[in-house]
Amino acid sequence: NAGVTQTPKFQVLKTGQSMTLQCAQDMNHNSMYWYRQDPGMGLRLIYYSASEGTTDKGEVPNGYNVSRLNKREFSLRLESAAPSQTSVYFCASRTGTGGSYNSPLHFGNGTRLTVT
Amino acid sequence: LAKTTQPISMDSYEGQEVNITCSHNNIATNDYITWYQQFPSQGPRFIIQGYKTKVTNEVASLFIPADRKSSTLSLPRVSLSDTAVYYCLGGDSNYQLIWGAGTKLIIKP
Repeated sequence: NAGVTQTPKFQVLKTGQSMTLQCAQDMNHNSMYWYRQDPGMGLRLIYYSASEGTTDKGEVPNGYNVSRLNKREFSLRLESAAPSQTSVYFCASRTGTGGSYNSPLHFGNGTRLTVT
Repeated sequence: LAKTTQPISMDSYEGQEVNITCSHNNIATNDYITWYQQFPSQGPRFIIQGYKTKVTNEVASLFIPADRKSSTLSLPRVSLSDTAVYYCLGGDSNYQLIWGAGTKLIIKP
């Protein structure tokens, strides 16, 4: 059981380049999330998808777009990368939908992105 | 939204019990308290969740007093592998959680 899988693990981009971070979960979870984590800080929510077919902005959505491709996959796209987007990106999923809070988040191991 | 406050760092020794306290003065009626553990180069991992009183699982206990303005994560008989960052979160839906910087726990031999 792989859980939450993120690709790639590492990526270096030049300013202005675009890329898509991939995330897939095999736990049949309804909700999926994208977070970023800067050094020494907690996680900040970029976008989330409470259920298949829906996406919503989180705390820091500017510069990003997402696609909930199907129930398993949730991708994060940087259209024009900036140095301020250098961070570690985590994808997470949980079984609940909407506001239900009893189910914990399951995280992938992150994508380390550097923008020069 | 429940903003939480926890110590930036703590040290302890192998075999000891470690208690990490978190304050959440503005916790709402519907908020649960959840703790996650994060090792370097990994995503956070769920440890335990509670609403009030005491919850225990195979790795930790969570104590939440009646006023619910604080909570304490208790790790029994820690080992070197418990060295990690521990996050305390409050909230009634995951997309409204506020992640602080967490508590960096260092276990010494």
